[in-house]
Amino acid sequence: DAGITQSPRYKITETGRQVTLMCHQTWSHSYMFWYRQDLGHGLRLIYYSAAADITDKGEVPDGYVVSRSKTENFPLTLESATRSQTSVYFCASSSETQYFGPGTRLLVL
Amino acid sequence: GIQVEQSPPDLILQEGANSTLRCNFSDSVNNLQWFHQNPWGQLINLFYIPSGTKQNGRLSATTVATERYSLLYISSSQTTDSGVYFCAVSQGAQKLVFGQGTRLTINP
Repeated sequence: DAGITQSPRYKITETGRQVTLMCHQTWSHSYMFWYRQDLGHGLRLIYYSAAADITDKGEVPDGYVVSRSKTENFPLTLESATRSQTSVYFCASSSETQYFGPGTRLLVL
Repeated sequence: GIQVEQSPPDLILQEGANSTLRCNFSDSVNNLQWFHQNPWGQLINLFYIPSGTKQNGRLSATTVATERYSLLYISSSQTTDSGVYFCAVSQGAQKLVFGQGTRLTINP
């Protein structure tokens, strides 16, 4: 199906574990983004990518790692999850207009 | 960095009413977009509007870039319009900075 998808949609993990959130888009958009959404903070940019193999930090990158070996995929890894990383994570892609995936709800216990 | 302020923070209306949501930004931008987050959390792009006016059905938006504000108009509100409306701007590289949103509640 065309569009932008995220997996998993829901994830429960424990402090210290590594977690990878997946993002896949079918539009061949150059730009892809990861945001987190928390009550009281709105949407904050974690990392973004202008093209395959080009990534850069956003507003809140600490504790996260990204890669982009293929244009269509942009995984986000929490190397050692912390409770403060409990959040809703949105992936997005854009050529000009930005389109969001459905989100991943992550709970870190 | 650039600041984005949205007003009002909350708005409660009856079905059929019209509303105007405002977005002020602190510096010049080359990209401004409006999004709707529905009660299920899905974020939908409404408009890409760095300047000028656009209309899509009951929704329209106007951006006056020289005065650093944008307005989103919703006419004849329906309960499905409920949710949070976000304005987001960029000064380059398509990195959007989001406002805190306006929570709109439409009562039947």
